[in-house]
Amino acid sequence: SQQGEEDPQALSIQEGENATMNCSYKTSINNLQWYRQNSGRGLVHLILIRSNEREKHSGRLRVTLDTSKKSSSLLITASRAADTASYFCAIVAGGTSYGKLTFGQGTILTVHP
Amino acid sequence: ETGVTQTPRHLVMGMTNKKSLKCEQHLGHNAMYWYKQSAKKPLELMFVYNFKEQTENNSVPSRFSPECPNSSHLFLHLHTLQPEDSALYLCASSQEGRRGLAKNIQYFGAGTRLSVL
Repeated sequence: SQQGEEDPQALSIQEGENATMNCSYKTSINNLQWYRQNSGRGLVHLILIRSNEREKHSGRLRVTLDTSKKSSSLLITASRAADTASYFCAIVAGGTSYGKLTFGQGTILTVHP
Repeated sequence: ETGVTQTPRHLVMGMTNKKSLKCEQHLGHNAMYWYKQSAKKPLELMFVYNFKEQTENNSVPSRFSPECPNSSHLFLHLHTLQPEDSALYLCASSQEGRRGLAKNIQYFGAGTRLSVL
């Protein structure tokens, strides 16, 4: 399977702490994306990192990509209770001409006030 | 509000019923998608429409029938479903090129929670 696989499956932290989630994949990629999903709702795009990029920032989010290890990490700094959600990585495989995202199983993040 | 609206939000149907899920996007995108999200399983891509043409059918059973009358609307027609088809069905849209590598950021609706009795 070329799908991304997140680690850990669940993460529980206190407000103010940092949260790190990891994603591994098996195929070459065009880009890797992170999405967030609140319970029973649709997914919201957070950040996209291309295969030739190593790090990107967006507000309290930092994403790294290591194509040699086929892995990515999402860091949320100074977490808030409102960050409680499921986080998914999704890959666009190399050579894909249409917008086909392949998702991992996700990390459930719980931030306690 | 993501610009992608799905109706209904909840649907309960018997195995012999016929129903349809509707998705509408107000973003001017040219590609639309149906996903199935079951508990403890990754999001499964079901169908892709690019410029109103179906470009992907991920071995979905024929009891699911998609329809894309224009680039803003996508339907999923359901008939003789099974209890294991109970899931959250998500619609998404994106702006894609006809060829080459597009950005592929997808915008999702809130989903339809389907229960098959």
